[in-house]
Amino acid sequence: QITLKESGPTLVKPTQTLTLTCTFSGFSLSTSGVGVGWIRQPPGKALEWLALIYWDDDKRYSPSLKSRLTITKDTSKNQVVLTMTNMDPVDTATYYCTHRRAAGSFDYWGQGTLVTVSS
Amino acid sequence: EIVLTQSPATLSLSPGERATLSCRASQSVSSYLAWYQQKPGQAPRLLIYDASNRATDIPARFSGSGSGTDFTLTISSLEPEDFAVYYCQQRSNWPLMYTFGQGTKLEIK
Repeated sequence: QITLKESGPTLVKPTQTLTLTCTFSGFSLSTSGVGVGWIRQPPGKALEWLALIYWDDDKRYSPSLKSRLTITKDTSKNQVVLTMTNMDPVDTATYYCTHRRAAGSFDYWGQGTLVTVSS
Repeated sequence: EIVLTQSPATLSLSPGERATLSCRASQSVSSYLAWYQQKPGQAPRLLIYDASNRATDIPARFSGSGSGTDFTLTISSLEPEDFAVYYCQQRSNWPLMYTFGQGTKLEIK
């Protein structure tokens, strides 16, 4: 049974760096083909893909946010960490951690964590 | 960057009716097209992957079709629990990235 859970601050100030941790179970990020991604959703708006890390440490980022994002993994702890620099109120959103199904979709999602950017 | 356009933005139907949701890509996305259902306060749920394959435990009333740039999600006979927001999503290879449509809200008429 695959589960994922996001953790991190609920409130950050503008210009600060956001660090979110995804802790997962039911699969290993050292297994060939496995990927873990981050997707966000501003209140009342659509989903936006942010980043993905693969079992082989290949990392992919949304081109529009690439300069602000870093994704890393700790296979021994079953964790993936996303950092986003220079936070702005427009970054207020629910951030989801996801398990990437083979090829092109996301089959398991965490419950999401709402991050508010405000001074 | 590939843009996905979903239509209609809102679809008002009654239980038992057939729902047809459209997703159009700005350029060919091959078969890497997925559909998700999202209910208020919940994470999205994968319904369809690779354009036409139902995900685990998804009822047979949900079906996906299409290729290239035009894709459709069909719900053959709406159940009360099907009223939600639906998103399409694609994966492109160059650059490797994922994009979502803006969503279709399926509401009770």
